[in-house]
Amino acid sequence: DAGVTQSPTHLIKTRGQQVTLRCSPISGHKSVSWYQQVLGQGPQFIFQYYEKEERGRGNFPDRFSARQFPNYSSELNVNALLLGDSALYLCASSLVGLSGNTIYFGEGSWLTVV
Amino acid sequence: KNEVEQSPQNLTAQEGEFITINCSYSVGISALHWLQQHPGGGIVSLFMLSSGKKKHGRLIATINIQEKHSSLHITASHPRDSAVYICAVHNTDKLIFGTGTRLQVFP
Repeated sequence: DAGVTQSPTHLIKTRGQQVTLRCSPISGHKSVSWYQQVLGQGPQFIFQYYEKEERGRGNFPDRFSARQFPNYSSELNVNALLLGDSALYLCASSLVGLSGNTIYFGEGSWLTVV
Repeated sequence: KNEVEQSPQNLTAQEGEFITINCSYSVGISALHWLQQHPGGGIVSLFMLSSGKKKHGRLIATINIQEKHSSLHITASHPRDSAVYICAVHNTDKLIFGTGTRLQVFP
C-alpha cells in the first residue's frame, strides 16, 4: 500500500500569491492533519480534519485554510503569501483522530516564498 | 517557556553508546509521540505512549504521567541512528511539538 503522498514536493511562489498543497492519506485512514516546519524548528500544528470536518486548529492566521474531500484526501490553502510562510509543509494521516493512534507522515512539500 | 521541552538540543555519540533523550511537558496530554526525522524532511513515528514503557528493537520509550516526563533510549547506537528526534504531545485537538534533538553517531 502507498504511504501518505503529498504534492507538489517543491514549489516557489512570490509574495502575495496563493498556494494549494495536496495530501492523500493511507488507504482506510479517515483523519488528516497539517503541519508547518520552519527550517531549524520543530513542526507546528495547523489543522486536523476527520470525516471531512475540522477537528482542531493551531495558532495560524485566517490566510491558512484547509478542507477534506469525500475520499479523505485534503488540501491546504495559503493566501497572500508572506516570506515567513517559507517552510516544509507536512501532512499526516491516522485511522481516526490524533489521540491514541499512530500518525503516518508524508515526505512534505517544500514551499519557498520570494 | 515552551509547552514541550526537549534535552539535549544536540547530542554526539560513538557507535555502541547508550543514548537518552528527554522530553518534559507542561500541559495535560492524552498521548505522547516520539518521532524521527532524517535530513530531507521525512518523519517516521517511533512510538505512541499514554503510559508505561514500550520497546521496539534497540529503542525504548518511557513516560511518567505524574512527572510529565518522557525519555527515549537507544541502546547500542549506530551511525544510521543519526537523525533529529522529536517529542510531540496530544493536547485537546492538537499536537504540540518539541524543537527536536539532533543526534549524530560516529563510527
